[in-house]
Amino acid sequence: SAVISQKPSRDICQRGTSLTIQCQVDSQVTMMFWYRQQPGQSLTLIATANQGSEATYESGFVIDKFPISRPNLTFSTLTVSNMSPEDSSIYLCSGISEGRGETQYFGPGTRLLVL
Amino acid sequence: SQQGEEDPQALSIQEGENATMNCSYKTSINNLQWYRQNSGRGLVHLILIRSNEREKHSGRLRVTLDTSKKSSSLLITASRAADTASYFCATSKDSNYQLIWGAGTKLIIKP
Repeated sequence: SAVISQKPSRDICQRGTSLTIQCQVDSQVTMMFWYRQQPGQSLTLIATANQGSEATYESGFVIDKFPISRPNLTFSTLTVSNMSPEDSSIYLCSGISEGRGETQYFGPGTRLLVL
Repeated sequence: SQQGEEDPQALSIQEGENATMNCSYKTSINNLQWYRQNSGRGLVHLILIRSNEREKHSGRLRVTLDTSKKSSSLLITASRAADTASYFCATSKDSNYQLIWGAGTKLIIKP
């Protein structure tokens, strides 16, 4: 299985600022995803992080608000830009290795509180 | 977007009892997966069942899939306090590996 770490684990930010979340995988993964999870709710897919090209965003999410980078097969970042209290949530990254089936491996999440 | 519903939304049982959670979905699928999440942390994959399978076991877990009813169930036998968590089903429809998630069931095992 792949081990995924995220930094920071939590943060408290001021309205209008930006936060970049890092996701590191211990082995190469084919695909990486970023999710948002409101407290007590299910997961909502933000985007698929594509290596070396622009991420593929889901409906309701745009690059200006959530820029994503994926420079190689083991690392990705998600930036939450110009934050508002509505962005308070848990942000999760996950990865899939095609050779290991269709299981998604998740990072521990980043708890974000925007004041 | 969410594929369907899970029920119950919350389940509280005594340690040692069996816990059953259900998941319904709306469209055709390639596979259905169950994940566990402890206290808002990352999710852990439990089991995957393909659309041509009807039942699968893994340790104390038993998953069934009824594609005619578009539903699945997760049974945890002989529950333990450590099973306290939220359980999510997720369906995969095509080859892009994206998952569509259910709303989740919050399971509490009382010692």
